[in-house]
Amino acid sequence: EAGVAQSPRYKIIEKRQSVAFWCNPISGHATLYWYQQILGQGPKLLIQFQNNGVVDDSQLPKDRFSAERLKGVDSTLKIQPAKLEDSAVYLCASSPTSGSFGDTQYFGPGTRLTVL
Amino acid sequence: DQQVKQNSPSLSVQEGRISILNCDYTNSMFDYFLWYKKYPAEGPTFLISISSIKDKNEDGRFTVFLNKSAKHLSLHIVPSQPGDSAVYFCAASARGNTGKLIFGQGTTLQVKP
Repeated sequence: EAGVAQSPRYKIIEKRQSVAFWCNPISGHATLYWYQQILGQGPKLLIQFQNNGVVDDSQLPKDRFSAERLKGVDSTLKIQPAKLEDSAVYLCASSPTSGSFGDTQYFGPGTRLTVL
Repeated sequence: DQQVKQNSPSLSVQEGRISILNCDYTNSMFDYFLWYKKYPAEGPTFLISISSIKDKNEDGRFTVFLNKSAKHLSLHIVPSQPGDSAVYFCAASARGNTGKLIFGQGTTLQVKP
C-alpha cells in the first residue's frame, strides 16, 4: 500500500512570494490533515478535511494560508504572501475513517519550506 | 498554552538498556494518547497508543504507561536498540474532538552501541 505522498520535498522562496504544496493521501482515506512543524516544536494542525469538506481550520492563518481538497482526494496548501515565520516543515497526514476519536493518522514525508 | 509537554529535549541511552520518555498534559478532557516516532527527513510514524480506560499498553519492546491523576504518560523501550534513535512525539486527543491531535515538542533519543 502506497503511503502519503507530498511534493515538493524542499522549497526555498523569498518573503512575500507565494508557494503551494501538494498532498496525495493513502487511497480510500476519508480524512486529510495539514500540519505545520516549526523547528524544535511538535506538529500543529492547520486544517482538517473530511472528504472534501473542512472539519477544523481554527488554527489556519486565513489572511495568507488557503487549502482545498478537490473531489475528496488530493489536497493543496497555499501561502500567499509568505513571511519569514512560515519557515517550517509542512506535513500532510490521512486517516481511514471520519477523523474520529482514536483514528490513527499516517504522515507523509513533509515539505521543508525556507523563507528568506 | 502548551497542553502537551515533553520536558526533556534529548535522552542518551546505552544499547540494551531501558529508555524512558516522559510526557505531561494539562487538559483533563484528553482521553486518548499516542506516541509517534520520527526519523530525519521522514514523516512521523505511529508507534503505540493508550486509551484513558487503561493504565498500560504493551507492544513488543514498547510499553506506554498512563497516570491519569498525575496527567502523565511515559514510553518505555526495553531493550533499546541503535535503530530506535529518533525523535519521539507524544500526542493527545479528546473524545468528540474530530480526531485532532495535540503534539508535544518531541524528545530526541540517541541509543549508543
